[in-house]
Order: sequence, then C-alpha cells, then structure tokens
Amino acid sequence: ETGVTQSPTHLIKTRGQQVTLRCSSQSGHNTVSWYQQALGQGPQFIFQYYREEENGRGNFPPRFSGLQFPNYSSELNVNALELDDSALYLCASSGTRRGLHNEQFFGPGTRLTVL
Amino acid sequence: GENVEQHPSTLSVQEGDSAVIKCTYSDSASNYFPWYKQELGKGPQLIIDIRSNVGEKKDQRIAVTLNKTAKHFSLHITETQPEDSAAYFCAAFSGSARQLTFGSGTQLTVLP
Repeated sequence: ETGVTQSPTHLIKTRGQQVTLRCSSQSGHNTVSWYQQALGQGPQFIFQYYREEENGRGNFPPRFSGLQFPNYSSELNVNALELDDSALYLCASSGTRRGLHNEQFFGPGTRLTVL
Repeated sequence: GENVEQHPSTLSVQEGDSAVIKCTYSDSASNYFPWYKQELGKGPQLIIDIRSNVGEKKDQRIAVTLNKTAKHFSLHITETQPEDSAAYFCAAFSGSARQLTFGSGTQLTVLP
C-alpha cells in the first residue's frame, strides 16, 4: 500500500506567478484535503475534494483553486502569488466510513517560496 | 468557526519523564480529535485520535483524554524517549464547518 505522495518537494516562484502542486492519494482513498502550513504554525485547511467535487473550503481567496481526477489524485493551483503564500503545502487523503469523520493521512508536503 | 488553542508552545522533559500537552476547542459540534506528530521536513503523522463518545483512549505510551463539558482534550506521553522529540499538533473536526482545525503546535524536546 503506497502512502500519500506530493510533487514537487520544493518550489521557488516570484510574486504574481502561478503555481500548480500535485498530490497522489493513498491507495483506496477517495478524499483529498489541502492545507497551508506557515513556519511555526499549525496547518490551515484550504479545501477538500471528494469524488472530484469540492466538499468544503476554508478561509482562502478564490485564487486558491483545485481539482481532483478520476484516480483521486489532486492538484492545488495558486494564481497571482503573494509573498505570504510562502509556506509548506500539505495534502492529506482519507477513505470513507459512513457517518464518521475519517482519519487523514498526510503527504510530506511541498515547500513553496515566493520571492 | 472552530478555534483550537494549544499549550504549551514548547516543552522540555528529561528522558523517562511524562509529557502533557493540552488543547481547548470552541465549537461544541466538534466530534473528532486527532493528534499529529511532525518531524522536521516531514508531513504530520497521526499518532492517536479520540471521538466525542469516548472519554479516554490509550495506545502503549500514548494516551488522550477528552472533557466535552469543558471542551478540552490532552495528550499524555509516558516514559519519553529522545525519538519522541518533534512538533505535536492537536486538531478538532467540526461537523458544522466540515473541516479539521489545528492548534498552533507544541515543540517537544526530550533530553537524554
């Protein structure tokens, strides 16, 4: 059973550019959540995808968008990058158990630096 | 929305001693409380969780307690070892907000 993988590991962009981060969910999981983790802080929920549809969104502007594919892998897109977008971006996958919140398993993250 | 506060922000203990990390939450609809360990350069790893219908859960050296009335939950690590040194995060899942909210983390250092 493979775990959650993310690519790339590190990324450097300049202000105003656009970035796409990728995540492959754990085998058997159909739900992917994305988080932003600033240095020294806890992860902050960006949004969640369940069966290719957005299933909840945190307090992030529309320039943060996402996709989930039929194989349940996912992308996070950020447009018009700002310096404050510099952070570790984490992807977490979870399966389904009716009526219960499901454990989320995190990938290693993508470190984004905006200059 | 949900607000999770975590204390202390840093904690140093001697090897073999116990460590306790405490969290409070604000949303009475929250019903799932996981704890994550995050080592440098890695993603968070789930170490234990508890649901709102349970008051305590134990897994070897790790235990979690939940007080729904007071809206607080705690992580207890006994017989600490140097490899327990890491950042620990509590979180609460709110059914109404449908999202997991994390605390700000505790940096645990176990001194040999």
